[in-house]
Amino acid sequence: GESVGLHLPTLSVQEGDNSIINCAYSNSASDYFIWYKQESGKGPQFIIDIRSNMDKRQGQRVTVLLNKTVKHLSLQIAATQPGDSAVYFCAEKNSGAGSYQLTFGKGTKLSVIP
Amino acid sequence: DVKVTQSSRYLVKRTGEKVFLECVQDMDHENMFWYRQDPGLGLRLIYFSYDVKMKEKGDIPEGYSVSREKKERFSLILESASTNQTSMYLCASTPRTYDTQYFGPGTRLTVL
Repeated sequence: GESVGLHLPTLSVQEGDNSIINCAYSNSASDYFIWYKQESGKGPQFIIDIRSNMDKRQGQRVTVLLNKTVKHLSLQIAATQPGDSAVYFCAEKNSGAGSYQLTFGKGTKLSVIP
Repeated sequence: DVKVTQSSRYLVKRTGEKVFLECVQDMDHENMFWYRQDPGLGLRLIYFSYDVKMKEKGDIPEGYSVSREKKERFSLILESASTNQTSMYLCASTPRTYDTQYFGPGTRLTVL
C-alpha cells in the first residue's frame, strides 16, 4: 500500500488549512467524474462524484468543481485533518458510450502536517 | 453499505505457481472488475464481467484469466505466476446502470 504513493505529485498542507487537489481529464466526451481516496494499504474509497450537467457539488467538508471548457476537475477539502492524508485520484467515464469502464488518473498524495 | 471483500490481503507465491484471487460482493451488483495498481502507472483494468459467465478483456489481460460462476463472486487467475505480476490487485463492483465503482481492500501479491 505504501508504494502507491511513490512517483506521485505531493501536496503538503497544514492541519486546519484547506486543500485543493487538481485533475486534468482527457476525454471531452466524459460526462461523469469521481474522486477516490486511497489510504496506505487500503482499497480506493469513493468520496464524491459529479455529472457534466453540474459545475459544482458539495459533500461533507469536500467540494468538487468541474470546468468542462478546460477539462479540469478539482477536489477541495475544508479544514484538512491528519486523517485526510492519502492518495487522491480522479476517474472519468463516458456514460453515453455504453462502456462500463472508468479511466483513472495517476493520483496526488496529500500529506497533512500536524 | 456496499461491501466488497477479497480473499487475502497479502499473498506470497513462487514463479510458475497457479494463483487464485477471489472477490465477493454482497450487493447483487452485475458488474465486477479486476485491476492492478503499480507505482507510477495507476490503476489498470485487467478484466471485467457484466454478468454471470460473461467476461471482457480490459487493457492488460495477458497472463490472466477470470471466472464468474456466481453473481457475487469474481475470480482472477494467474495461470503461471511471474515476477512481473507482483502488484496490488483490486476488485471493484457496480450495479448495471450505475457508474460509481466500489472497491475491495486489495490483495498485495508478491511473486518470488
